[in-house]
This record gives sequence, C-alpha cells and structure tokens, in this order.
Amino acid sequence: DAGVIQSPRHEVTEMGQEVTLRCKPISGHDYLFWYRQTMMRGLELLIYFNNNVPIDDSGMPEDRFSAKMPNASFSTLKIQPSEPRDSAVYFCASSFDRRGKLFFGSGTQLSVL
Amino acid sequence: SQQGEEDPQALSIQEGENATMNCSYKTSINNLQWYRQNSGRGLVHLILIRSNEREKHSGRLRVTLDTSKKSSSLLITASRAADTASYFCATDGEKLTFGTGTRLTIIP
Repeated sequence: DAGVIQSPRHEVTEMGQEVTLRCKPISGHDYLFWYRQTMMRGLELLIYFNNNVPIDDSGMPEDRFSAKMPNASFSTLKIQPSEPRDSAVYFCASSFDRRGKLFFGSGTQLSVL
Repeated sequence: SQQGEEDPQALSIQEGENATMNCSYKTSINNLQWYRQNSGRGLVHLILIRSNEREKHSGRLRVTLDTSKKSSSLLITASRAADTASYFCATDGEKLTFGTGTRLTIIP
C-alpha cells in the first residue's frame, strides 16, 4: 500500500484565495483525520470522519474551513478565503479505529501571503 | 487544547547514550501512543500501550505507563543519529490528541 497520500506537498497562495487540500487514505481504513501543525499550537485535530461521515468538527477554527469526504478514498479540506494565520502544515491521517494507530500522510505545507 | 505535555522540550545526547522523554496527561485514557516525526515529514507510529499495561518494549524502545500519575515515558536505548526527530505522545480522551513534543538531537 502506498500509504496516505496528500496533495499538494506545498501550496503558496495570497490572502483571500481559496485553498483546497487533498487526501487519499489507506484502503480499508474507516477513519480519516485532518490535523494542523504550527509552532505555536502544535498538532490540532480539525475534523475526523468515520465511514465518510463527519463525526467531530469542533476543531475547525472558523466557517472559512470546510471538509468533505465524498467517498472512502478521497477527502478535501478547503479554506475560503485564506488568511496569513492559516499558514501551517496540514496533515491527513487514517486508521482502522478512532483510538488506534494513525497513519499520517506527508503533509501539505501551506503559506498564505 | 492539548491533552499531553512532553518533557523535556528539547534533548541533545551523544550517539550511543540512552534518551528518556516523559509525557504527562490530564484525563483518563484507554491507551497512550508514541509517535516520531522527522523534519518535514508526517508522524510515524512507534508504540501503543494500553491503560492496563505498565511497560512495553519494541526493539530499542521501552515505554512505561503510570495511570495513577497520569504519565508515560519513552526510553530509546543505544541512540543512533537516525533517532534525531521530534517525539510526541498521543492520548485517547474524547479524541486522539497530541502533546507538544520533545525534540531529540543525537550528536554523532
């Protein structure tokens, strides 16, 4: 298995632009998680899905953030409009169960200028 | 908010020495996990210890868990340059949350 695949690897955009991050989880994993990592706040859970259904989005910082999982093999995290404070590394992870071992993607380094 | 707090924040040791990192958490858990993150990469799972376990080994890694003190430690024996990374504990309270991490540097 190729592992969790995220794209793009790096994204540089200007304030106000829409940003879409993509994730392909490991086949067979029922759970998908989106995390954000910054120096100031560490790793924060933004949202997680079980069987493509959003379960807990309490970590999504604002209405500017939205996430979807249209099928078991694809998820997106969208920021619209983007702001400089959204600059961070965004990780997608998947697992067999909510409290078990997570498999992380390589992350998307987002820079909003 | 973060459930776990690692200590120390940064640690530098000579290659071949043992490295010990600690994690303290606040609420009851079912299990605790340790992850490694190399610079610019995603986190990699190292080991999971359940709340009814006190100690677990995996290769050069030894993890202990003291639920009465709400703390865990990760020991890496005979450290190697390749162990240079950040190490995070993760606890499964309401959801899996990560600590602040220990940045470990192995000096060749």
